[in-house]
Amino acid sequence: GAGVSQSPSNKVTEKGKDVELRCDPISGHTALYWYRQSLGQGLEFLIYFQGNSAPDKSGLPSDRFSAERTGGSVSTLTIQRTQQEDSAVYLCASSLSLGLYEQYFGPGTRLTVT
Amino acid sequence: RKEVEQDPGPFNVPEGATVAFNCTYSNSASQSFFWYRQDCRKEPKLLMSVYSSGNEDGRFTAQLNRASQYISLLIRDSKLSDSATYLCVVNGASNTGKLIFGQGTTLQVKP
Repeated sequence: GAGVSQSPSNKVTEKGKDVELRCDPISGHTALYWYRQSLGQGLEFLIYFQGNSAPDKSGLPSDRFSAERTGGSVSTLTIQRTQQEDSAVYLCASSLSLGLYEQYFGPGTRLTVT
Repeated sequence: RKEVEQDPGPFNVPEGATVAFNCTYSNSASQSFFWYRQDCRKEPKLLMSVYSSGNEDGRFTAQLNRASQYISLLIRDSKLSDSATYLCVVNGASNTGKLIFGQGTTLQVKP
C-alpha cells in the first residue's frame, strides 16, 4: 500500500518568509510525528499527534513553528519568518497508534532558507 | 551524556564479513527499541524491532540487554547493499511515541 507522503520534496525560501510543509500518513494510522534532521546531525523530535490532538508542543524549536492535523489524516507543519538555522530535512512519520508501535517515515521535505 | 549513544564509525568491511554495532541508552524506563537504516539523502527505514529475547531476520540479529541498557545489531555475510548508516532508536518512557535517535553508525561494505 501507499506509504507516508510529504510535499514539497524540496523548498527554497528567503529568510523571513513563511513556509508550509505537508504530510499525508499511511491510511489507518492514527499517530503522526514530525522530526527534523539538520546537515550532519541526528534526528530531532518536534511534535506528535494522536488523532488531531497534539498534547505536547515542547519539542518545537521556537514559537515560529506550529503544526496542525485535520480529519485525523493530513498534517501541516508551518514555519513563520524562516531563519537560516531552520534549513534542514523535515521528516514525517506515522504509526498504527500512539506509543510503542513502529513508525514509518516519509521521504522528507528538504528546506533551504537563503 | 546523550540519551542514545552509538559508535559513529565508519566501519569498513569486505563483502562476506560479519559486523556488529553497539548502542547504549540512558533512560532505564525506555520500553521499545528499534534499528533503522538510512541511506544517503533518504529517509530512515525500519530494519527491525529489538526484543529482550533477541530476534533474527535473515542475516540480521538484534539483541537487547535491559540490565546494561545495551542494544546490538549483528550483520552476517555483509553485502555491498548493506552500506548505509544504521540508527539505534529508543522510544521514550512516556509512551508518547517520541523516538530518540542515536547519531548513527556508518557501514561501508567493499568488494
